[in-house]
Amino acid sequence: QQQVKQSPQSLIVQKGGISIINCAYENTAFDYFPWYQQFPGKGPALLIAIRPDVSEKKEGRFTISFNKSAKQFSLHIMDSQPGDSATYFCAAQAEYGGATNKLIFGTGTLLAVQP
Amino acid sequence: SAVISQKPSRDICQRGTSLTIQCQVDSQVTMMFWYRQQPGQSLTLIATANQGSEATYESGFVIDKFPISRPNLTFSTLTVSNMSPEDSSIYLCSVELQQETQYFGPGTRLLVL
Repeated sequence: QQQVKQSPQSLIVQKGGISIINCAYENTAFDYFPWYQQFPGKGPALLIAIRPDVSEKKEGRFTISFNKSAKQFSLHIMDSQPGDSATYFCAAQAEYGGATNKLIFGTGTLLAVQP
Repeated sequence: SAVISQKPSRDICQRGTSLTIQCQVDSQVTMMFWYRQQPGQSLTLIATANQGSEATYESGFVIDKFPISRPNLTFSTLTVSNMSPEDSSIYLCSVELQQETQYFGPGTRLLVL
């Protein structure tokens, strides 16, 4: 119930194409869903996040789509660029008894955007 | 966001020794977290470190192996004790700023021989 399932494991997209990464969860207590971008040798960087009260959030070329009933959310990268090549992690978080907020990470997707 | 630094950025250690990793943030934060990321893998939470209280460890992680200090609102340390090659990993600290938003440091890359 604490898992966040992420797919695909790896993705190759042509420059200018759309990259789509999917995540699914079981725990309905999750109320915050961030996406992180990680370049080799760096720590994860917060990319975009969504809460369950909206179905979509867009920031520049990055969009999160959220389907509460299906317990799924996805990251769409429009006009993908070689500089977007990185590992992307979805995550989910719930507040436990008002104390610790734990981020549960997906398994990661290695994105390669070919020029 | 916050500026988070970690020291050392990388290290090569001999088995049986211990390494202390430092995490410094440029603003006062209540909650700090320590994660482990094994090569090519996802992030696993080791423990949560709140200032003024004992760290809370996740299942599979114990204080004797990963003692944590949190002396003030901008600093924390994680010690990896009695290291073995299985401890080779990236260790990351993160802080929670706005509600539920975590920001990560650059990580410490540890290789145990």
